[in-house]
Amino acid sequence: AQSVTQPDARVTVSEGASLQLRCKYSYFGTPYLFWYVQYPRQGLQLLLKYYPGDPVVQGVNGFEAEFSKSNSSFHLRKASVHWSDWAVYFCAVSIPGGNYKPTFGKGTSLVVHP
Amino acid sequence: DPKIIQKPKYLVAVTGSEKILICEQYLGHNAMYWYRQSAKKPLEFMFSYSYQKLMDNQTASSRFQPQSSKKNHLDLQITALKPDDSATYFCASSQETGGEEQYFGPGTRLTVL
Repeated sequence: AQSVTQPDARVTVSEGASLQLRCKYSYFGTPYLFWYVQYPRQGLQLLLKYYPGDPVVQGVNGFEAEFSKSNSSFHLRKASVHWSDWAVYFCAVSIPGGNYKPTFGKGTSLVVHP
Repeated sequence: DPKIIQKPKYLVAVTGSEKILICEQYLGHNAMYWYRQSAKKPLEFMFSYSYQKLMDNQTASSRFQPQSSKKNHLDLQITALKPDDSATYFCASSQETGGEEQYFGPGTRLTVL
């Protein structure tokens, strides 16, 4: 079975600073990986997805993530954080094909200071 | 236009009562899901349906019953409500159940008094 760990429950950054949110997964093969964002009182929105191919994937609003099989990681990055990025970010992993649903991490709450 | 509609947005119920949460998706997807989110459990998978058939049930209690009257509908009936059922319930959908990305509705916030 697959699993995902987001080691940081909360990350605080200053507006304009760079950002990395960490995600580690557990799966013996190459999974599908996702980052979702949840703004206050809203549902989750897909930020970006990784299907086997180029390890660096681009998402909306300047976000990108890099898949590393050797490190079993899929960290989310942004070069310059904006106050509107204040939200909770969820990493998810799923097994390609078959009747499998994504497994979600517990989320990382991003706080942006002016 | 919203692609996944959940009704109602807010719901207040008394302990012991029964409620139905509505979900409709207009993405043409074949798989639909229910999740629950509360302070105790950030995001908890409940059910998945594919082509109107139950694929996975991770809800221990039979008080929670999904109902699919049409391919793009997946309602959630909750009976004998308890204060612990208070949470935000999210409906989601995906093209198939092959592990691809899911799209989430705005949620129904349920409060049980």
